[in-house]
Amino acid sequence: NAGVTQTPKFQVLKTGQSMTLQCAQDMNHEYMSWYRQDPGMGLRLIHYSVGAGITDQGEVPNGYNVSRSTTEDFPLRLLSAAPSQTSVYFCASSYSPPKGTEAFFGQGTRLTVV
Amino acid sequence: SQQGEEDPQALSIQEGENATMNCSYKTSINNLQWYRQNSGRGLVHLILIRSNEREKHSGRLRVTLDTSKKSSSLLITASRAADTASYFCATDAGNQGGKLIFGQGTELSVKP
Repeated sequence: NAGVTQTPKFQVLKTGQSMTLQCAQDMNHEYMSWYRQDPGMGLRLIHYSVGAGITDQGEVPNGYNVSRSTTEDFPLRLLSAAPSQTSVYFCASSYSPPKGTEAFFGQGTRLTVV
Repeated sequence: SQQGEEDPQALSIQEGENATMNCSYKTSINNLQWYRQNSGRGLVHLILIRSNEREKHSGRLRVTLDTSKKSSSLLITASRAADTASYFCATDAGNQGGKLIFGQGTELSVKP
């Protein structure tokens, strides 16, 4: 049982390049989310999804796009990378209530934009 | 802005001592959760306390919740070197699709 799988683990981009961070879960969770973690700032929510075909913005959505075509996958797209997007990105998934909202996290993608 | 603020930002104790971390939040919640993050790893769920609960235990962990003060505390008893990690509180308003709002975390160092 893999849980939440993120790829790649590390990535270096040049300013202006685009890329997609992949996230897949095999627990049949309805909810999926993307967070970024910066030193001293905890985790900030970028985008989230309550089910296939439904996405919404979090606290810091600018510069990022998401889609949810299947229950399992929730890719995060950086349209035109900027140095301010240098961060560690975490994907998380959880069941919808009343099953519970405990979130399961992937191991993270460390992104550097130069 | 972030929902939770944690105190202290860093805590250093000796093995065997208790560690207490505090979390304050701003808006009404459905539940509050605590997570642990080892260096360079993802977050791991520790414990969830619902808004109608005041205290919860899990092994060496004890969580309290005071909704009137919008605050929670996490107590780790008889700490071990393996407890060294960052600890985060996260609040769930209950009506936003699993949207968790995290605090900035407390960095705990347990010295052997």
